[in-house]
Amino acid sequence: GAVVSQHPSRVICKSGTSVKIECRSLDFQATTMFWYRQFPKQSLMLMATSNEGSKATYEQGVEKDKFLINHASLTLSTLTVTSAHPEDSSFYICSARGVRDKPPNQPQHFGDGTRLSIL
Amino acid sequence: AQSVSQHNHHVILSEAASLELGCNYSYGGTVNLFWYVQYPGQHLQLLLKYFSGDPLVKGIKGFEAEFIKSKFSFNLRKPSVQWSDTAEYFCAVSEDGGTSYGKLTFGQGTILTVHP
Repeated sequence: GAVVSQHPSRVICKSGTSVKIECRSLDFQATTMFWYRQFPKQSLMLMATSNEGSKATYEQGVEKDKFLINHASLTLSTLTVTSAHPEDSSFYICSARGVRDKPPNQPQHFGDGTRLSIL
Repeated sequence: AQSVSQHNHHVILSEAASLELGCNYSYGGTVNLFWYVQYPGQHLQLLLKYFSGDPLVKGIKGFEAEFIKSKFSFNLRKPSVQWSDTAEYFCAVSEDGGTSYGKLTFGQGTILTVHP
């Protein structure tokens, strides 16, 4: 149980395009989803936290207009990298916490990640 | 902001060797502690967690970790590793309350390679 599906697994696109990454909870309802970014040989850095039906909360230093997050349903959150540039190339990972995962310190369930390469 | 440090980037062992991966964190308040594992081509999976109580926690696949509050450490151990333990291991810490409650701060990860 508690499977999180992330799509696409890899995307390569030209500089200036926008890229959308989907994160779905397949067998549970996710009240909270998290988006992380990982650079090579570095840790996962939390970018933002999204709660279903409300605006995402971004971590310090993360551009809200650059990384648009939508959490429109209890099973889907999307991250859109707008006008992507080579410096946005990275590994993006989502995680989710279910309705039953209370209190908030319960472990998160992770997706497989998306490798984004901007040429 | 708190930080999490994993001392070794890459550990190479032979099967049956004992394993200890270090993890230290900087937050001075009450914390929740986690070890996650990422097998090649797979997503992060929870190995074990510590919230309170016995500082020695046991997880899946024979792993255990010890929380030493005075040292701000949560080291991962396994007495005898197997080839199938080859993976990347991440230590993560969450503040137990406050505005960052439920948010994870990760260490840099340690790649474990086990030779048969």
